[in-house]
Amino acid sequence: GENVEQHPSTLSVQEGDNSIINCAYSNSASDYFIWYKQESGKGPQFIIDIRSNVGEKKDQRIAVTLNKTAKHFSLHITETQPEDSAVYFCAASRYNQGGKLIFGQGTELSVKP
Amino acid sequence: DADVTQTPRNRITKTGKRIMLECSQTKGHDRMYWYRQDPGLGLRLIYYSFDVKDINKGEISDGYSVSRQAQAKFSLSLESAIPNQTALYFCATSDPASGRRNTGELFFGEGSRLTVL
Repeated sequence: GENVEQHPSTLSVQEGDNSIINCAYSNSASDYFIWYKQESGKGPQFIIDIRSNVGEKKDQRIAVTLNKTAKHFSLHITETQPEDSAVYFCAASRYNQGGKLIFGQGTELSVKP
Repeated sequence: DADVTQTPRNRITKTGKRIMLECSQTKGHDRMYWYRQDPGLGLRLIYYSFDVKDINKGEISDGYSVSRQAQAKFSLSLESAIPNQTALYFCATSDPASGRRNTGELFFGEGSRLTVL
């Protein structure tokens, strides 16, 4: 079946460093890729998305890159801050299927002051 | 107040008991979802509903049922709970029909932690 592999499972960085989280998807028909942030005790919250006709998208310190050939997409956080500490999930979908998402396993990001 | 409210937030029950998790939303969204979160597995879709008369199975629907009582309410039932249904359950909504750019944007509740002994 469809799956999304996410790495690393844990990531520890110093404040101010850049962070990268990677996801590989199996379904070639997937054309829409999303990242969520989950803080302790809360539900996941949407942070950024990208469609397959675009290679990169940025929103302030957050960026997502997509390599369709390799079936791989990544989340980039520049100048990581303590408030970025959370669990991050990637997800893949087909754009016309809305919220039917296949999630990765999650990455716990810890930022040391 | 939360836009997507789940009750109960925590529940401990015994094997074989019937359990209902409830979800209500004030966002006015047509689409509602139930996801299950397990450590190391991410979130997996159990059931989803695109409107009041529409119910669809997700990846892992066995052992679960749902009811869409109204646009704002979507309940998940475990008819006979078993220990491997111990997990964190999330209700979510979305509304791509509104013309939102982010059609994959789900709005999650705060979760219902279920423990089956």
